[in-house]
Amino acid sequence: QSALTQPPSASGSPGQSVTISCTGTSSDIGGYNYVSWYQHHPGKAPKLLIYEVTKRPSGVSDRFSGSKSGNSASLTVSGLQADDEADYYCSSYAGSHNWMFGGGTKLAVL
Amino acid sequence: EVQLVESGGALVQSGGSLRLSCAASGFTVTSNYMIWVRQAPGKGPEWLSVLYTGGSTYYADSVKGRFTISRDNSKNSLYLQMNSLRAEDTAMYYCASRSGRFGRAFDIWGQGTMVTVSS
Repeated sequence: QSALTQPPSASGSPGQSVTISCTGTSSDIGGYNYVSWYQHHPGKAPKLLIYEVTKRPSGVSDRFSGSKSGNSASLTVSGLQADDEADYYCSSYAGSHNWMFGGGTKLAVL
Repeated sequence: EVQLVESGGALVQSGGSLRLSCAASGFTVTSNYMIWVRQAPGKGPEWLSVLYTGGSTYYADSVKGRFTISRDNSKNSLYLQMNSLRAEDTAMYYCASRSGRFGRAFDIWGQGTMVTVSS
């Protein structure tokens, strides 16, 4: 199975919004509402931002939002802040006790 | 504090073996299901294996037959025994846990341990 497809990079200025896409197949993203998004600052533990496509754990800023359409999912970061500069990964349950991850998107806050 | 701490990463020769450990605190490894994920340099994460609370285990095709996931309840730790290592196994290895509060997402992660396989 191939990884989910994400753009390698994204950028925006402070205060702006940026959307990161994640494309899979009907066997993963399209087949389950188990898409999650993680933020990873290098050298730290990855942090869960979004689960079940649109839900946010308590403590995660409402500037982060998720959506899904067909075999693709998206993460939108609004009101960009310097600390949002990190790597972002999507993930989806893919059935048969398998999980898929995206290749990652490096977000730069200009 | 809920956390996971990986250890055991090292430089090893191709064909060799290594056992990674993942020590849990703030929860018990038997109460959550646990996974191992790796990230090769410049690439995205790759799911490797899951150990369910009931003890069932599953593996990605890339490691099936070579890697074994296990846990020690007395040490509250998760392990990954890696045999027949190849250069392409070079990666940062992370353990993660699903508490169950967030669907099938993994909400507890360690900081990783580096495995380098030299050919």
